[in-house]
Amino acid sequence: GENVEQHPSTLSVQEGDSAVIKCTYSDSASNYFPWYKQELGKRPQLIIDIRSNVGEKKDQRIAVTLNKTAKHFSLHITETQPEDSAVYFCAASLGRGGSYIPTFGRGTSLIVHP
Amino acid sequence: GAVVSQHPSRVICKSGTSVKIECRSLDFQATTMFWYRQFPKQSLMLMATSNEGSKATYEQGVEKDKFLINHASLTLSTLTVTSAHPEDSSFYICSAAGPSREETQYFGPGTRLLVL
Repeated sequence: GENVEQHPSTLSVQEGDSAVIKCTYSDSASNYFPWYKQELGKRPQLIIDIRSNVGEKKDQRIAVTLNKTAKHFSLHITETQPEDSAVYFCAASLGRGGSYIPTFGRGTSLIVHP
Repeated sequence: GAVVSQHPSRVICKSGTSVKIECRSLDFQATTMFWYRQFPKQSLMLMATSNEGSKATYEQGVEKDKFLINHASLTLSTLTVTSAHPEDSSFYICSAAGPSREETQYFGPGTRLLVL
């Protein structure tokens, strides 16, 4: 099955700095890669996603890059703010029987210091 | 759009009792619903995938007789933890995927279960 590795497990930055979270996946058939943000005690919220036919996608301060050959994808947050502090999960999804089944990374706890 | 609700948000029960958790998609029809378990400071562990009107597909290691899943309609799925034990205490989260974008999952707010 799919295996997703996510690094780092904890990331501490100063407000205004950039943050980068990296994930690798094992199954080359995976074709959809969402990123979720989860604040303490709350639901995961989709913040950005990318499909395998695209190399990069940007939405304001957030960007995601995908390297299919190397099977890794990364989340980039620029001009970080304290409200960006949360746990971020990457996932690699594979279509199976009409559903997309994601495998999640272990999460990265991002702390943005004011 | 794409709002998913979950009820109850918290439940405390005695060991040996059963607990039912409901997951509803409020503004879209969910062709597929997913149930996850999340331990403190850990990732989301997929328990099962359910499609409306058919039996759930359980992930390896998840006991289907212990965690009963019913997907009765395109907007409702339920998870019943039968004969709950303290080790079943956890945060249970559902998610739903709709017909227009099957690959995107929208999560419910989660249910914190504590079994005494």
